Amino acid sequence: NAGVTQTPKFQVLKTGQSMTLQCAQDMNHNSMYWYRQDPGMGLRLIYYSASEGTTDKGEVPNGYNVSRLNKREFSLRLESAAPSQTSVYFCASTPRGARDIYNEQFFGPGTRLTVL
Amino acid sequence: AQSVTQLDSHVSVSEGTPVLLRCNYSSSYSPSLFWYVQHPNKGLQLLLKYTSAATLVKGINGFEAEFKKSETSFHLTKPSAHMSDAAEYFCVVREVYSGGGADGLTFGKGTHLIIQP
Repeated sequence: NAGVTQTPKFQVLKTGQSMTLQCAQDMNHNSMYWYRQDPGMGLRLIYYSASEGTTDKGEVPNGYNVSRLNKREFSLRLESAAPSQTSVYFCASTPRGARDIYNEQFFGPGTRLTVL
Repeated sequence: AQSVTQLDSHVSVSEGTPVLLRCNYSSSYSPSLFWYVQHPNKGLQLLLKYTSAATLVKGINGFEAEFKKSETSFHLTKPSAHMSDAAEYFCVVREVYSGGGADGLTFGKGTHLIIQP
């Protein structure tokens, strides 16, 4: 099992450019998440998908869109990148429903994004 | 609403000495609590989790944490630090009924653990 994989590992964009961050998990998990990590801020939830076909906003959704393509894949899109979106982005997944509070989340290795 | 406070942004200990990373939480309901570790340029790995089965929770790599409801704390400890423990540690709280984030998962800001040789 590869677990949670993310592509690309690194990306540099110019302001206004668009891109999609890809995430896939091979653990047959129902719920998937996108976080951003900024220094001294911990992780903040951008969007999540409780199950295939559903997505919901998290704490910091502005400037992002997501697609739950199928059970395995959950992508994050930046339509018009801004320097404030420079961050490390993590994808995560969890086995059962989002309401199961004892489920831990499994994280991918992250994507380091710089917007100039 | 829930929140979590990691009381130290940096902790420095000598190799072989005990480690204490402090975490306090607030939650309107009975929460679940997690500690994650992040090594440099890596993703997050689960160290341990509290699920109400036992107040003293043992995790990987010799770490453990004790849930103290009266003190609303979930401090992480290890009897003897190893150089490989140098990393960022995150305390995470989760409750079913959340007034904040969509999934009720809240991260602390992290504690950077430094191990002196």
